[in-house]
Parts: sequence; structure tokens; C-alpha cells
Amino acid sequence: LAKTTQPISMDSYEGQEVNITCSHNNIATNDYITWYQQFPSQGPRFIIQGYKTKVTNEVASLFIPADRKSSTLSLPRVSLSDTAVYYCLGVDTGRRALTFGSGTRLQVQP
Amino acid sequence: SQTIHQWPATLVQPVGSPLSLECTVEGTSNPNLYWYRQAAGRGLQLLFYSVGIGQISSEVPQNLSASRPQDRQFILSSKKLLLSDSGFYLCAWSAGTSLDEQFFGPGTRLTVL
Repeated sequence: LAKTTQPISMDSYEGQEVNITCSHNNIATNDYITWYQQFPSQGPRFIIQGYKTKVTNEVASLFIPADRKSSTLSLPRVSLSDTAVYYCLGVDTGRRALTFGSGTRLQVQP
Repeated sequence: SQTIHQWPATLVQPVGSPLSLECTVEGTSNPNLYWYRQAAGRGLQLLFYSVGIGQISSEVPQNLSASRPQDRQFILSSKKLLLSDSGFYLCAWSAGTSLDEQFFGPGTRLTVL
């Protein structure tokens, strides 16, 4: 199971692109990288998941280089409503449970 | 569509009292069910998960227990609460493997005094 490391907090302004990097040096062959978003007093919400290269959906993009030892969540043109905690998870396909770290607290300013 | 319910939304309990938190899922069958706890300003800690009725896996030793009496019902219990049991308790469900998205309930905020 990949241990992930990500910045504790980040600040940005409305309209900017935000990139949150996650380090997972011990990622295993079976591991996928998954990102969740959590607003205060709510449960986390799935954002995006990938194994290698680039994945894009309506919310974000996920870049995973060939060595898979890190990944970057990219949020295009953030708004105030993107202020939240973002969790990077290494997901082992052989397990049913997820392991959440402390996440990155993103604060978007006007 | 699927929905997940938790109750109560908030709870204040004295140390040593019992606890029962309930989670139910609608609109799906045979879900995987999970209980997480989140202390203030911290990440989520997985407490229990269940892949079927009566099947409970514990991730962390503690004074809490979980039960799954029905397919879409998951209960978190304690016989005697500790101060350290305070936190935000979240129930979640997923369809199958760990790669499947987990859907979280609204949570129960528990304060033990």
C-alpha cells in the first residue's frame, strides 16, 4: 500500500490553476492513485483516479509520470467553492479499504 | 439513485455511556460499508468495514464495535465511551473493489464530555 505525502496547505486566488503534488515513492504495481475532496463538516467526495499518464474529467486532471513515484492533481481556474481539503490516496486493488492521510488544505482567496 | 443516511447528526454523551450510531443505504444491494472517524483537523481513520451481512473487519483496536444486521444497515456501537472517542463519524458505501468510488454519508459529530 503506497504511503503518500502531500503539502499540508496551499493558498491560491480565484481564476488561477492549482496544482497539488503528492509523493508516493513506494507505490506498488497494484496501486492506483485516487483523489478525494472534503468540505468542512461533510464526508469526502471522489474527484479522480488514475494509474499512469494523464486522466481528465469535468472537475480536474491527474498527471502521473512514468515512474509513478508522484502525481499532480490539477484544478483549472479555481473558485472560492474549491476551498477544501484534498486527499491523495494510494489504492491497493487487493484491499477493500482506503487509507486517508491528513490531506492538503487549499484556501482560495477572492 | 443511491442515498446514504446517518443518524443522529450530532450527539453529546458523558464518559462511560453507551453509543449507537446508525447508517443505512438506499438504492443499492450488497454494498461494501465503512465506518470512519475524523478527529478535529485530522484525516480520516478507517474503523471498520463490511463486505456482507455479519461480516465485519476491524482496522484499529478500540472500544468500539460494528454490526451489520441487514444488507444495507451498518451500526457503530460502544459499551462505554471515552473522551478520545469524540470526533466526526462518517459512514460510507462502495459497490465492490477498492477502486470503486466511496460515497459518504452526512456524518455524526460526537462529543464526549
